[in-house]
Amino acid sequence: GAVVSQHPSRVICKSGTSVKIECRSLDFQATTMFWYRQFPKQSLMLMATSNEGSKATYEQGVEKDKFLINHASLTLSTLTVTSAHPEDSSFYICSATGASGNTIYFGEGSWLTVV
Amino acid sequence: QKEVEQNSGPLSVPEGAIASLNCTYSDRVSQSFFWYRQYSGKSPELIMSIYSNGDKEDGRFTAQLNKASQYVSLLIRDSQPSDSATYLCAVNSPGSGNTGKLIFGQGTTLQVKP
Repeated sequence: GAVVSQHPSRVICKSGTSVKIECRSLDFQATTMFWYRQFPKQSLMLMATSNEGSKATYEQGVEKDKFLINHASLTLSTLTVTSAHPEDSSFYICSATGASGNTIYFGEGSWLTVV
Repeated sequence: QKEVEQNSGPLSVPEGAIASLNCTYSDRVSQSFFWYRQYSGKSPELIMSIYSNGDKEDGRFTAQLNKASQYVSLLIRDSQPSDSATYLCAVNSPGSGNTGKLIFGQGTTLQVKP
């Protein structure tokens, strides 16, 4: 079964609203989680690195005030898309590693559609 | 130059043939290399990881790494229609050690025709 779970798997929101996506590690403590975004027919683009108990590290070009990341516990990271616009519609995927960092587990992904 | 480059394809092979997928990367200090398979609308799933020069075999899959040439490949023997998917090459981000931060190539679409 899945060791990293994302919720919701699909969400539709209105333009201008905010939406939260959760990423949970189910049977291990994830010291680090990563958030990726994938537009249709494109590859995964890393958005940010989420470390438990500290601020996320954002990749160049990713607006930290728009994509809020919270990693409050060793099993949960959340990504909040604020003031969503149709161009934010994408497939958002998280991954998680344990303390060793040697094994990377991906969540099932979350489809966001902004209308 | 992109950090991880793949031919987007599509690569079309007949059922039973060998599919060869290639990937080059730009940073010589990269240490970990991964091949993921992604079906349309789904999250990527790990096929192979490779860390040392040479070949690594797992069932019908063989990963090949040549650090001197900054090249990693994936061979799929006896290709099946169910292998039709996008194959993503991923490299451990330079400077990140073993933290799991991956840089992905754009993916190669493989089509296996019955």
